[in-house]
Amino acid sequence: AQSVSQHNHHVILSEAASLELGCNYSYGGTVNLFWYVQYPGQHLQLLLKYFSGDPLVKGIKGFEAEFIKSKFSFNLRKPSVQWSDTAEYFCAVNAQGGKLIFGQGTELSVKP
Amino acid sequence: GAGVSQSPSNKVTEKGKDVELRCDPISGHTALYWYRQSLGQGLEFLIYFQGNSAPDKSGLPSDRFSAERTGGSVSTLTIQRTQQEDSAVYLCASSFGHTKNIQYFGAGTRLSVL
Repeated sequence: AQSVSQHNHHVILSEAASLELGCNYSYGGTVNLFWYVQYPGQHLQLLLKYFSGDPLVKGIKGFEAEFIKSKFSFNLRKPSVQWSDTAEYFCAVNAQGGKLIFGQGTELSVKP
Repeated sequence: GAGVSQSPSNKVTEKGKDVELRCDPISGHTALYWYRQSLGQGLEFLIYFQGNSAPDKSGLPSDRFSAERTGGSVSTLTIQRTQQEDSAVYLCASSFGHTKNIQYFGAGTRLSVL
């Protein structure tokens, strides 16, 4: 069965610090990969996606993620976080039939 | 509307009662998904519709849970004889297809079973 693992449950950073959130998945076939973000009190929104092609994908608000097939990883990065990036971040995979398999989520708190 | 609409936004019910949760997807989206978000369980897939049929019901936790979709649009998730462990946020998402497509999420229905 597919599964997604996010290594960090809660990350606390100061503004301007760099961010990297880990995501690993288990599935041997072709996958589509996503990062979703849930700001406080808001619904899930897509940050970025990978379907094929360049393994380095750029998303909204300065976020990027790199797909490393050999490591089954899709880590999220941002060079300099802002207080407004405080949110919960979910990595997700879909392969068989389109349903999304989500990681447990990482809560990011950015201190001003 | 512009996005996925879910109603009600909040529902408080007594244990043993039935509840119906509604999802109105983005116009033209053929695929519709239900997920559940709860503490300790994260985001779990429940059921997926393509048009009015449900090719994947594998995430429904028990036979108390059912869902239907009519006219290729609105979907209703029904929970019969609710239990306290059903308390969660129920999320609906829709997409233009079901493979390489982005799922857009609604704001969810927060269900509290007392």
